[in-house]
Amino acid sequence: DTAVSQTPKYLVTQMGNDKSIKCEQNLGHDTMYWYKQDSKKFLKIMFSYNNKELIINETVPNRFSPKSPDKAHLNLHINSLELGDSAVYFCASSRGSPGVNTEAFFGQGTRLTVV
Amino acid sequence: GDSVTQMEGPVTLSEEAFLTINCTYTATGYPSLFWYVQYPGEGLQLLLKATKADDKGSNKGFEATYRKETTSFHLEKGSVQVSDSAVYFCALGPQGGSEKLVFGKGTKLTVNP
Repeated sequence: DTAVSQTPKYLVTQMGNDKSIKCEQNLGHDTMYWYKQDSKKFLKIMFSYNNKELIINETVPNRFSPKSPDKAHLNLHINSLELGDSAVYFCASSRGSPGVNTEAFFGQGTRLTVV
Repeated sequence: GDSVTQMEGPVTLSEEAFLTINCTYTATGYPSLFWYVQYPGEGLQLLLKATKADDKGSNKGFEATYRKETTSFHLEKGSVQVSDSAVYFCALGPQGGSEKLVFGKGTKLTVNP
């Protein structure tokens, strides 16, 4: 049973399109995240939700909009895709804050390629 | 702000060689420290963690000790295997109400038979 699952695994799309990536966790965690990993493997947080409420919103273009319909889901919608959006996007979840005695569980990633 | 600095990769070793991947951090408080591993084509997995100074995290033959005096959390393994080939990320736990992990840039390790 997959703990954190993302769909799709691969996404190839043209510039200007709108696309969504879905994430679901079956761990009963309260907190979910979206991270972006660039071509050099650098990981940067984009958003974090706790119990469906946005708690972290890093400096991300407002073309990116997260949506959390319930505690187990955090979807990422991207409008007007640009070439620079090409990256691997990771969803993650944690029981609370990923600090003492907790850890973040990651999905397998969605490789987005904008052409 | 908080930050993590890892040694630049890639690192290439022969099987059974000794591995060290350096990690130092900058933080105002006393964060938890983590090493995550990303195998090819997969997401990140927690490898080990340490929650306070002088703690040693260990898993799968890997070890790292939380050194407050040198603000370091170097990853070591005495004898690497081909299956250890992956990207390794050092990370700093959240502080001051922030919910985010801060990651280093990752170090790619390739182990040759």
